[in-house]
Amino acid sequence: QSVLTQPPSVSGAPGQRVTISCTGSSSNIGAGYDVHWYQQLPGTAPKLLIYGNSNRPSGVPDRFSGSKSGTSASLAITGLQAEDEADYYCQSYDSSLSGWRVFGGGTKLTVL
Amino acid sequence: QLQLQESGSGLVKPSQTLSLTCAVSGGSISSGGYSWSWIRQPPGKGLEWIGYIYHSGSTYYNPSLKSRVTISVDRSKNQFSLKLSSVTAADTAVYYCARVLGDYPDYWGQGTLVTVSS
Repeated sequence: QSVLTQPPSVSGAPGQRVTISCTGSSSNIGAGYDVHWYQQLPGTAPKLLIYGNSNRPSGVPDRFSGSKSGTSASLAITGLQAEDEADYYCQSYDSSLSGWRVFGGGTKLTVL
Repeated sequence: QLQLQESGSGLVKPSQTLSLTCAVSGGSISSGGYSWSWIRQPPGKGLEWIGYIYHSGSTYYNPSLKSRVTISVDRSKNQFSLKLSSVTAADTAVYYCARVLGDYPDYWGQGTLVTVSS
């Protein structure tokens, strides 16, 4: 059970916009720690998608965007494409107990 | 282009020690500003950060695994390693090595499956 909660699954039709939430608490996202997002295509290693809440690494399409507010963060994908079907993970730092870098449980995006 | 490649035993017996190495190419493990991490993913499950090391040798471990984990760096070979002792079936996972900028991995290895079974 992760301290960062993501919906297990989301879906959308090609061309649509979907959002994936990452809900934390006052010991992680709400404490001001940055949120990062990763995309994991089937059978591959995760790939950095968004860093520092809303920044895209070079090569990541601007269809992907991140935001953070209060104790939550969100990943938005616009103009959904079949190739976006993947698992998505958020990641931050949690200061409770001994403190550690934590991932959300992951969200499976299905393109209908 | 930075590349990371995991290697090691794919099958470990319960109670024994898991050992993996991550070879780094296309960049120096001694470069400042980065740490080098191990992250794992049990089959069909999510990601778990195991620990990380700086080129100086300073190490930081997941509190839930700390008593069993050792991460070390070999600058002469441009590689770093993971040892996880007293393994059980719960340690069966794909193990990834990664370069970390700040607190997020920006380059990942392809991952290697380690199965704990007698």
